[in-house]
Amino acid sequence: GENVEQHPSTLSVQEGDSAVIKCTYSDSASNYFPWYKQELGKGPQLIIDIRSNVGEKKDQRIAVTLNKTAKHFSLHITETQPEDSAVYFCAANYNNNDMRFGAGTRLTVKP
Amino acid sequence: DADVTQTPRNRITKTGKRIMLECSQTKGHDRMYWYRQDPGLGLRLIYYSFDVKDINKGEISDGYSVSRQAQAKFSLSLESAIPNQTALYFCATSDFNGSEQYFGPGTRLTVT
Repeated sequence: GENVEQHPSTLSVQEGDSAVIKCTYSDSASNYFPWYKQELGKGPQLIIDIRSNVGEKKDQRIAVTLNKTAKHFSLHITETQPEDSAVYFCAANYNNNDMRFGAGTRLTVKP
Repeated sequence: DADVTQTPRNRITKTGKRIMLECSQTKGHDRMYWYRQDPGLGLRLIYYSFDVKDINKGEISDGYSVSRQAQAKFSLSLESAIPNQTALYFCATSDFNGSEQYFGPGTRLTVT
């Protein structure tokens, strides 16, 4: 089955700086790669996703890049704000049949 | 009102007890999922259902069972709870395209 590794496990940045979280996956058949944000006491919420037919996707301050050859994908957050502080999860699967999540990254944005 | 609700939100139970966690959704989605979250391990899929007659095991189904009573309801049972089932449990739904999953608020289960 799919195995997803996520780094780093914790990340602390100054407000306004950029944050990058990286994930690798093992199953070359995986074709869908979402990123979820989980705030304290809440369930995860999708913030951006990418499919295997594109290499990059942007949504305002958030971007995701995918390298299918190397089987890794990354989340980039620019101009970080304190409200970006949360736990972020990457995931990978084939046609959403059996989503495998990374272990999570706790991002802290210091004012 | 929340689109995906879970009951109870918190539960403390003893080893050997049977417990049921319930999930309801108003999004009209066909697909429903149960996940378990442990610190440092992320979310792991327990069971998923693509419709009322379709139930599939996930990565960690041992010790758990599920029932899809209706399109909107999906329950998770622990037949005989054990302490290492102490965790945060999430229900999620997605439409037939299976893209974005919508998560409930979670149930914190403690088995003593």
